[in-house]
Amino acid sequence: GEDVEQSLFLSVREGDSSVINCTYTDSSSTYLYWYKQEPGAGLQLLTYIFSNMDMKQDQRLTVLLNKKDKHLSLRIADTQTGDSAIYFCAESRGNQGGKLIFGQGTELSVKP
Amino acid sequence: GAVVSQHPSWVICKSGTSVKIECRSLDFQATTMFWYRQFPKQSLMLMATSNEGSKATYEQGVEKDKFLINHASLTLSTLTVTSAHPEDSSFYICSPAGQGNYNSPLHFGNGTRLTVT
Repeated sequence: GEDVEQSLFLSVREGDSSVINCTYTDSSSTYLYWYKQEPGAGLQLLTYIFSNMDMKQDQRLTVLLNKKDKHLSLRIADTQTGDSAIYFCAESRGNQGGKLIFGQGTELSVKP
Repeated sequence: GAVVSQHPSWVICKSGTSVKIECRSLDFQATTMFWYRQFPKQSLMLMATSNEGSKATYEQGVEKDKFLINHASLTLSTLTVTSAHPEDSSFYICSPAGQGNYNSPLHFGNGTRLTVT
């Protein structure tokens, strides 16, 4: 199947860490992405990980990939109110010419 | 990061009219353009893939005669919603990709919000 699944909502307090989870089904995925979408706006690429990596850290963002379980997570350290948005994970399948399969999006709400 | 210019940002049109959306890749040659659609509170779904100089490939359930795609050059692709109806109201987003680098991080335009009245 083509499903990429995420939980729909996450609420955290400012300063806490946020962990957004994603599962995917296709083991041939080459790149896995995290995008951020603020209300009424387009997609902002946050970070990505190649499928042969386990972890990638970029400032406050840490991506963990468990290829065996087909599980991807995005951890945001010291979450701020400006991080409130919808976060999409997506997988890219090279054998399909770069088509991205998106999850449903996780709405992150950061409370002061 | 890649610069993608998409316009208009939003458009309101009457039912039955056509709307053209432009997507420009400003800093690399986009041999491929992906067009996505996002309904409210839903995820992005790929509509079609266009390659410069050839016909677009449409995903299942997307009417090629309704959503006309022109990939006129390596920096410009257009999506025309013909005879728009209220059910076509959606957020349309483009994503260009360069030659052979489909697996590079893919960037998106800021999207066009179409409202058909």
